[in-house]
Amino acid sequence: AQSVTQLGSHVSVSEGALVLLRCNYSSSVPPYLFWYVQYPNQGLQLLLKYTSAATLVKGINGFEAEFKKSETSFHLTKPSAHMSDAAEYFCAVREGGYQKVTFGTGTKLQVIP
Amino acid sequence: DAGVIQSPRHEVTEMGQEVTLRCKPISGHNSLFWYRQTMMRGLELLIYFNNNVPIDDSGMPEDRFSAKMPNASFSTLKIQPSEPRDSAVYFCASSPGTENTGELFFGEGSRLTVL
Repeated sequence: AQSVTQLGSHVSVSEGALVLLRCNYSSSVPPYLFWYVQYPNQGLQLLLKYTSAATLVKGINGFEAEFKKSETSFHLTKPSAHMSDAAEYFCAVREGGYQKVTFGTGTKLQVIP
Repeated sequence: DAGVIQSPRHEVTEMGQEVTLRCKPISGHNSLFWYRQTMMRGLELLIYFNNNVPIDDSGMPEDRFSAKMPNASFSTLKIQPSEPRDSAVYFCASSPGTENTGELFFGEGSRLTVL
């Protein structure tokens, strides 16, 4: 069965500092991997996705993630945090051929001025 | 372009009452998903449809929950009777379909409070 594990339910960074949100996945077949962002009182919005093309994926708002098969990881990074990045971030996995998307438990990012 | 539209945005009801949540997916999307979000359990997939047909309802908590998709542009999630533990935010999401990578487009959610 597919699953994702997000390490750290809360992460705090200073404005301008590197953002690193961790995600490890488990899948019996090559997966599709996603990062979504949720702002307060809103639905989830896609940040970026990995679909087996390039291992380094660039998304919106300056975020990127690298697929590392050997480490079963798909960590999300941004070189310089902005106040507007404060939100909850979800890693998700979908096994190819299946439509079910499984979400991690989420990481709340706090950006300190 | 209109996104996924959910109604109501907020619902407060008393235990035992029937609750109906509604969703209009993005036009042309043929997969629809219902998720529930709580602090304790995070995001849980309740059920999903492909071409209006329920494919996997294994996440539906119990018989009090039912979902329908009578046509490609409308789905409902019904709880009857409702209980306080059903309090959560319910999200509807749609996706272009099986040939797609699986990106989900979410509505803004329906926040349900059962007293």
